[in-house]
Amino acid sequence: DIQLTQSPSFLSASVKDRVTITCRASQGINSYLAWYQQKPGKAPNLLIYAASTLQSGVPSRFSGSGSGTEFTLTISSLQPEDFATYYCQQLNTYPLTFGGGTKVEIK
Amino acid sequence: EVQLVESGGGLVQPGGSLRLSCAASGFTFSDYWMSWVRLAPGKGLEWVANIKLDGSEKYYVDSVKGRFTISRDNAKNSLYLHMNSLRAEDTAVYYCARATLYLDSWGQGTLVTVSS
Repeated sequence: DIQLTQSPSFLSASVKDRVTITCRASQGINSYLAWYQQKPGKAPNLLIYAASTLQSGVPSRFSGSGSGTEFTLTISSLQPEDFATYYCQQLNTYPLTFGGGTKVEIK
Repeated sequence: EVQLVESGGGLVQPGGSLRLSCAASGFTFSDYWMSWVRLAPGKGLEWVANIKLDGSEKYYVDSVKGRFTISRDNAKNSLYLHMNSLRAEDTAVYYCARATLYLDSWGQGTLVTVSS
């Protein structure tokens, strides 16, 4: 199975900070990677797909990059509504797998 | 507007069975792969199963193989997850999701609690 390792698992940041989350795959997954945001008690929301394509309706402060085994999600200027948990997911190979999550909290 | 509404969750004893349903609307259900994903208390998201447009291909995470069955009824715009031999570690909120390869629409989830 392909393991996805997210780092950090927790980060504390302030509004307007630039935030970067990393997702490393145990083997190459081309660009079959997605990023989701989940808030407590809510369903996950697709932010980025194909590693770097912004899902319709998602603010442009979110961006994704990478290919192969290393990927990043960047929030250029953190907003109050961005405090949430973020997950990467690989869709290159079954079983599909998620990273362990990164919880972004207010400093 | 795409809508996915899960139902069927509840409290079940270890070894018991449950069937989850997901009612889809706002899109042509038979044109999409569908998925089940779960979130256990204090844990991260875990993909559970996928099913092809016509139900001809199904994929599962190893931990549920042989115990869970994903199915669909395109005439009823419905997705199902039949869960047998339930274990405490299956306790989670279960989400259905539309898969355009990526999971672009999700339901609000249904809680399954496995406990005696």
